Amino acid sequence: ETGVTQSPTHLIKTRGQQVTLRCSSQSGHNTVSWYQQALGQGPQFIFQYYREEENGRGNFPPRFSGLQFPNYSSELNVNALELDDSALYLCASSLQSDTQYFGPGTRLTVL
Amino acid sequence: GQNIDQPTEMTATEGAIVQINCTYQTSGFNGLFWYQQHAGEAPTFLSYNVLDGLEEKGRFSSFLSRSKGYSYLLLKELQMKDSASYLCAVGVNSGYSTLTFGKGTMLLVSP
Repeated sequence: ETGVTQSPTHLIKTRGQQVTLRCSSQSGHNTVSWYQQALGQGPQFIFQYYREEENGRGNFPPRFSGLQFPNYSSELNVNALELDDSALYLCASSLQSDTQYFGPGTRLTVL
Repeated sequence: GQNIDQPTEMTATEGAIVQINCTYQTSGFNGLFWYQQHAGEAPTFLSYNVLDGLEEKGRFSSFLSRSKGYSYLLLKELQMKDSASYLCAVGVNSGYSTLTFGKGTMLLVSP
């Protein structure tokens, strides 16, 4: 186990709703990265937080937003959910640019 | 941009050796990572190469040639539990460090 935890495990939402996913990083890690993994695909980078600030973002629209807290835990918020947002959402923690270790993921289904 | 290619599927027999290839084109190269992902689970870190050559870790070895944009993961003495998706990921540094993943290679180990 990596020591990275995510909640909830599974979630079902309908189109147009909003969702918040949570991640607790491994002890000693100060960087959290979020990824979206559609079925049969590799994870796609959403954004990264370092010391409570977003310091990098992938090709995702602004309705994907996040936060990092002083204890380095993090949230991913998605507004105005679309069917294509159905995926496994993974967070990974690291000590700055070192190896990233993944949490178990949140499976989001949008109906 | 980044482009990472790896075979979609491979099959092998228990006890055999299998090599999974990965080619990449990227800017800001910051290392080559291999992750293992069982169905419905999070990716788990297997190996990291930043310099050319072979890194060996038990039954798993990983090779990198930066000039050729090429890596492979070698799995020896295959076991049934090695049936999983193997993700090749390039570490990219563009002001911040993140991972760009290939689509993964699904390995099926049969008795």
